[in-house]
Amino acid sequence: NAGVTQTPKFRILKIGQSMTLQCAQDMNHNYMYWYRQDPGMGLKLIYYSVGAGITDKGEVPNGYNVSRSTTEDFPLRLELAAPSQTSVYFCASSFNTNTEAFFGQGTRLTVV
Amino acid sequence: AQTVTQSQPEMSVQEAETVTLSCTYDTSENNYYLFWYKQPPSRQMILVIRQEAYKQQNATENRFSVNFQKAAKSFSLKISDSQLGDTAMYFCAFISMNYGGSQGNLIFGKGTKLSVKP
Repeated sequence: NAGVTQTPKFRILKIGQSMTLQCAQDMNHNYMYWYRQDPGMGLKLIYYSVGAGITDKGEVPNGYNVSRSTTEDFPLRLELAAPSQTSVYFCASSFNTNTEAFFGQGTRLTVV
Repeated sequence: AQTVTQSQPEMSVQEAETVTLSCTYDTSENNYYLFWYKQPPSRQMILVIRQEAYKQQNATENRFSVNFQKAAKSFSLKISDSQLGDTAMYFCAFISMNYGGSQGNLIFGKGTKLSVKP
């Protein structure tokens, strides 16, 4: 049982480049989330989705885009990468709002 | 908008002793869940305990228990008989259960770094 799988685990981007962080879950969860965690800080919600075809902005959506075409996948797109986007990114999913959220292992992204 | 505040950036406790981590939250909703997650140095997020807002009884999970004060919007975590393996960042989290609006918006506090000393 894979759970929540994030790829890649590490990535270095140059300023202005674009990339997509992949997230897939095999638990048939309705809810999926993208967070960023800056050093020594908590998790800030970027975007979330309550089901396929439905996404909504979190606390820090600027500079990011998401899509949810299937229940399993929730990719996060960074357009025109900036040094302020250097962070660790976590994807998470849960079956419902009252159930445990399962997290991926995180992606450490550095923008130089 | 909901907010979650953890006022203790760092705490330490001696092995086998008890420690309490604080969390307050702000919301206008009545129907929600609260969680405590643990993040050890491996970076993996692990659920410690959860509390339904409509339940007055405090949740417990082995050595972990909460003190949920709904009127005060307070949700503290007590760790009894602390163990070296409890060393980690601890995050308090809130999620709304109300359909529409902010349902599904799982938000976290900034965390408390707990060190358990031998």
